[in-house]
Amino acid sequence: DSGVTQTPKHLITATGQRVTLRCSPRSGDLSVYWYQQSLDQGLQFLIQYYNGEERAKGNILERFSAQQFPDLHSELNLSSLELGDSALYFCASSSGTGDTEAFFGQGTRLTVV
Amino acid sequence: GNSVTQMEGPVTLSEEAFLTINCTYTATGYPSLFWYVQYPGEGLQLLLKATKADDKGSNKGFEATYRKETTSFHLEKGSVQVSDSAVYFCALRRKNTGFQKLVFGTGTRLLVSP
Repeated sequence: DSGVTQTPKHLITATGQRVTLRCSPRSGDLSVYWYQQSLDQGLQFLIQYYNGEERAKGNILERFSAQQFPDLHSELNLSSLELGDSALYFCASSSGTGDTEAFFGQGTRLTVV
Repeated sequence: GNSVTQMEGPVTLSEEAFLTINCTYTATGYPSLFWYVQYPGEGLQLLLKATKADDKGSNKGFEATYRKETTSFHLEKGSVQVSDSAVYFCALRRKNTGFQKLVFGTGTRLLVSP
């Protein structure tokens, strides 16, 4: 158990819909990262937050957004969903200082039908 | 930019065979290097890491040595088990800042048969 909790584990939704994925980082970790894992794109970095502030942005679509709340949990919002958004979405956390490793949650598998 | 290249899979081995999964990287400066493993249906777990040249990371019988001269971090294990079947990801991260993301390779699937 990495200590990073992601909910829900599975999500099935229709095209055009909006969903919210939730991540609770390890206790004490200030930095949260979101990754998308798909068969054709591999593991793609989406976005990073540190203590409530956006720190880095990767290949995140405009239809996607994220935030980190004062209690440090994070949410990834995906809207106007397309079939191609079907993927495994991972959250990872780290202390955010120095050269520390990142710990990954078990992921949320999103299926868009 | 920073990137990681891994050998294509799947790698298919018999139990007790020797394993090598190649990983090379391109990076500014000298990053930290990682191997993560993803077992079926699970998230990524850190397997081992190395933070400077000539460092050897090791865990659960797996080893990898940070080779600056060849920009490589190949994963090895002397005798694989069926339970090692998983997808292995090589990754890098720039050092000395907590704000740098992990950059992953495409992953290499390992299949070990009894």
